[in-house]
Amino acid sequence: GEDVEQSLFLSVREGDSSVINCTYTDSSSTYLYWYKQEPGAGLQLLTYIFSNMDMKQDQRLTVLLNKKDKHLSLRIADTQTGDSAIYFCAETRLYDMRFGAGTRLTVKP
Amino acid sequence: DVKVTQSSRYLVKRTGEKVFLECVQDMDHENMFWYRQDPGLGLRLIYFSYDVKMKEKGDIPEGYSVSREKKERFSLILESASTNQTSMYLCASSPGQIDVLTFGAGSRLTVL
Repeated sequence: GEDVEQSLFLSVREGDSSVINCTYTDSSSTYLYWYKQEPGAGLQLLTYIFSNMDMKQDQRLTVLLNKKDKHLSLRIADTQTGDSAIYFCAETRLYDMRFGAGTRLTVKP
Repeated sequence: DVKVTQSSRYLVKRTGEKVFLECVQDMDHENMFWYRQDPGLGLRLIYFSYDVKMKEKGDIPEGYSVSREKKERFSLILESASTNQTSMYLCASSPGQIDVLTFGAGSRLTVL
């Protein structure tokens, strides 16, 4: 397909792991990104992965990349209520960046 | 702290009004972008600019125009606002190679 696809909603309990999945479209994308949007704010870069990597870990965040299936995932360990936000995956194109629809993560106490 | 500033956080306009959304970045970035964000649709690119006085259409340019007279400023113009342009508008910038985008806080426009 032509769209970057993500599921729209995810709900987890505090302390559990969250996994947000994304399917992207352009196999030539150099970088793939995860952005976080908190209520009333713009998007902030959370993490990114270079396309020649399979995995990247950054504290509680783990990004997995499966280039063959064009599948990207973001795992948040020990999810906290402050992690509640909308998470967007994005791929670079020649002149711009293409975003998924965003996954709204709700963390229940 | 470097940033992208959108001067209007909330606007309410009437159908047919002309609307200006202003965006300024202080990072000397070449590229600037306007997206609109709607629930379930994510971010859709309206216009982008890779240099002063240059502009390129994105995925949904209809009903919009842009202006980039100075490197740091990228304006989005709705010549005649319509109710289907009620949305959150996000401005972003990036350096020469399309890299990390830095976003403004957004401008929420309501057209009545």
